[in-house]
This record gives sequence, structure tokens and C-alpha cells, in this order.
Amino acid sequence: EAEVAQSPRYKITEKSQAVAFWCDPISGHATLYWYRQILGQGPELLVQFQDESVVDDSQLPKDRFSAERLKGVDSTLKIQPAELGDSAMYLCASSLGWGLQGEQYFGPGTRLTVT
Amino acid sequence: AQKVTQAQTEISVVEKEDVTLDCVYETRDTTYYLFWYKQPPSGELVFLIRRNSFDEQNEISGRYSWNFQKSTSSFNFTITASQVVDSAVYFCALSDYGGATNKLIFGTGTLLAVQP
Repeated sequence: EAEVAQSPRYKITEKSQAVAFWCDPISGHATLYWYRQILGQGPELLVQFQDESVVDDSQLPKDRFSAERLKGVDSTLKIQPAELGDSAMYLCASSLGWGLQGEQYFGPGTRLTVT
Repeated sequence: AQKVTQAQTEISVVEKEDVTLDCVYETRDTTYYLFWYKQPPSGELVFLIRRNSFDEQNEISGRYSWNFQKSTSSFNFTITASQVVDSAVYFCALSDYGGATNKLIFGTGTLLAVQP
């Protein structure tokens, strides 16, 4: 069964350092999402891509976060500089499209700890 | 604004008991989707069900069943004869239908602990 791949699974970094996460969606899925899940809360959308274009990044802290999906396939989420409050699980999801094709499949996540 | 409320933070049951997880949602949209996801300790969100706002029929899948009531804006999830493997955090989520984005609005989750 096809899955969404993410790496690394765990990342520990010091405050003010740069960190990057990678996501490879299910083959053929045009829509890719990055969510952030703070401990004890539900995931919250950071950015949504349709192919290589950003559809929604309204909740992305653009002063320190950036996301790209250059060829419309895999994606990278970067934080620079990392802050203590960025400690969370970062989840990537993909879907064929939205509406009737909007079923989102999630990867295993990257658990980030900022010290 | 869209909002999902899962008032039950934690539920503990003994194996074989039935358990119902509550979900109440708010939206101004007339068409929308509702979802349930399971998050085991490994962290991955596992899709359980999607229901659109046009379809109020209840659904049963094995030990799982869902009760959608538009009149009370609720989409509750029942596990019959719970098992230890059901222990996880369960999230209810809402998304718009055919809108500009497809983002999921999640509740805060309910931690279900099934004791042997």
C-alpha cells in the first residue's frame, strides 16, 4: 500500500539553529499539506500545495518558516531560526485533490524538539 | 468560523466495553465533510471515515459505528467491544466542500485507554 514518507522521524536541535523536514507524498497525489501538532492539541495546517503552487499558507510563520515543492512532487519545510515554541510534531499529508478527492493520507511525522 | 469540539479529553474503559467518543462541530457552510482519524502512540494519523453533509445515514464498519446528526451538529463515534489495540488518540475533523482550500480543522482529540 502506498504511503506518505517523511524524514527524519525525530530531530533535536538547539534554539537559533536551522532545521529542515522532507516529505514524499503518495505517487500521483497533486495536493500536499504540512500540519503542525503541538502536544495535546489537534494538527493545524501550516501550508497547502497544489502541484508546485501554494494554495494556503495563512498560518505559516513566514518570518522563520519556509516551504517549497519545486517539481510538484516532494516537499521541504524549513525553520530558521528554530525557537523553543517550535517543538511539535510536523505532519505531512497528501491527497489526489480536494472535495470528493480530498481524502488526506498522513505520513508518520517528524517529532521536533528544540532545546 | 469553523470549529470542532471534543469535550472528552480522556476516556478509560475495560476491554470489551462499548465506548462513544463525542464530536460537535460548527460551520456556516451548508456543504462540508466530517472525518475521524486515529493516532496511535507511533504518531501517524490513520484515516477512519469521511462523511459528507448530505449523507446523514449512520455507518457501521466492523466494531466501529458513526452517528451523524445534522440537527445537533454532532458526529459521534462508537467502538463496540473495545480492545487494547483501540488505545489511541482519536480526532474528529471538519473540512469545507469545494472551497478554496481543503484544510482539515481538527478537534483537540480524545485519548482512549482500553485496559485489559
